[in-house]
Amino acid sequence: AQSVTQLDSHVSVSEGTPVLLRCNYSSSYSPSLFWYVQHPNKGLQLLLKYTSAATLVKGINGFEAEFKKSETSFHLTKPSAHMSDAAEYFCVVPHSGTYKYIFGTGTRLKVLA
Amino acid sequence: GAGVSQSPSNKVTEKGKDVELRCDPISGHTALYWYRQSLGQGLEFLIYFQGNSAPDKSGLPSDRFSAERTGGSVSTLTIQRTQQEDSAVYLCASSLAQAGGNQPQHFGDGTRLSIL
Repeated sequence: AQSVTQLDSHVSVSEGTPVLLRCNYSSSYSPSLFWYVQHPNKGLQLLLKYTSAATLVKGINGFEAEFKKSETSFHLTKPSAHMSDAAEYFCVVPHSGTYKYIFGTGTRLKVLA
Repeated sequence: GAGVSQSPSNKVTEKGKDVELRCDPISGHTALYWYRQSLGQGLEFLIYFQGNSAPDKSGLPSDRFSAERTGGSVSTLTIQRTQQEDSAVYLCASSLAQAGGNQPQHFGDGTRLSIL
């Protein structure tokens, strides 16, 4: 069965320092994977997607993620955090053979001034 | 282009009243999803539409909840005899349906429902 695990429910970083949000997946094959961001009182916005074309995926707002099959990981990174990055981040994998999606439990990112 | 549109953005109603939430997906997206997000919680799947059909209603919490989609476009989620535990944000998403799920979902900003 497929699943995603977001290893941290909360992450705090100082403005200008790197961001690392961790996601591990479980799948019998190389799935598609997505990262979404949700700002307060907003819906989820697609940050980036992995669909097997390249293991390093660049997204919006300076975020990127690297698909590592050997580690079954798809961690989200950004070199320098900005105050506007404070939000909740979700790692998502499509459910194989269906049109459903499996959401991680979310990581709330706090950026300190 | 236009994204997923949901209305109303906020709804406050009294316990026991019926409410209707609307979702207008991205044009051409055949798949439509409803989710519920309670305060500080993740996303709870409610129902999925492929065109006008709902092959998966497994997430609807009770028979007070129903949804329909007409013309392969607009969808409405109806909650009858609302209860306080129905208070949440209801999110709608649409996608180009494709086996294997390579297409991402696109979300609206949600309807914030408060039951007094």
